Amino acid sequence: DTEVTQTPKHLVMGMTNKKSLKCEQHMGHRAMYWYKQKAKKPPELMFVYSYEKLSINESVPSRFSPECPNSSLLNLHLHALQPEDSALYLCASSQVLSGGRSGDIQYFGAGTRLSVL
Amino acid sequence: QKEVEQNSGPLSVPEGAIASLNCTYSDRGSQSFFWYRQYSGKSPELIMSIYSNGDKEDGRFTAQLNKASQYVSLLIRDSQPSDSATYLCAVDTGTASKLTFGTGTRLQVTL
Repeated sequence: DTEVTQTPKHLVMGMTNKKSLKCEQHMGHRAMYWYKQKAKKPPELMFVYSYEKLSINESVPSRFSPECPNSSLLNLHLHALQPEDSALYLCASSQVLSGGRSGDIQYFGAGTRLSVL
Repeated sequence: QKEVEQNSGPLSVPEGAIASLNCTYSDRGSQSFFWYRQYSGKSPELIMSIYSNGDKEDGRFTAQLNKASQYVSLLIRDSQPSDSATYLCAVDTGTASKLTFGTGTRLQVTL
């Protein structure tokens, strides 16, 4: 089973709203990732967590705030977003962070399609 | 220079033919190489992973890796209309601990 579950599937929010995206996996993976994907572009890495600690922040604006409450759960808190933040937000997980072995395969959730009005 | 390069396509092949997708990368320290398939509006789905030079086969898919030439390719045999999608090449250097994606190649399998 390589399932990563993301909720909600769709989200519409105003620029003053606060919302959260949720990602869950029960594969025992210790690395989790948030990506942003705009139409016809590849996924762009936003954050990486390894063993529940933030490992990489790709200079993402502070209106995006990640949280990893436990090894199975990853949240992305959204506040005061801009219309250009509208995109598909993807969560992924892998057994380990990297290293040239099969444990570093990233499995993606179905994504949350976010529209900011 | 882009870190991971792919021809954006579209690559059009007739049903039953072999589709050949190519990817080059710039970081010689790269250790892990992946091909993901992404249908329009959906999330990336892993097709193949490869770590050593040579070929790796899985059903109709064969990944080929040549670290000396810094390229990785994906062959799809007996292409089906359901193979029509964007194929993303992704490379993990191991040192940066992150996946770098190419821009993707759009494959169209025609009847």
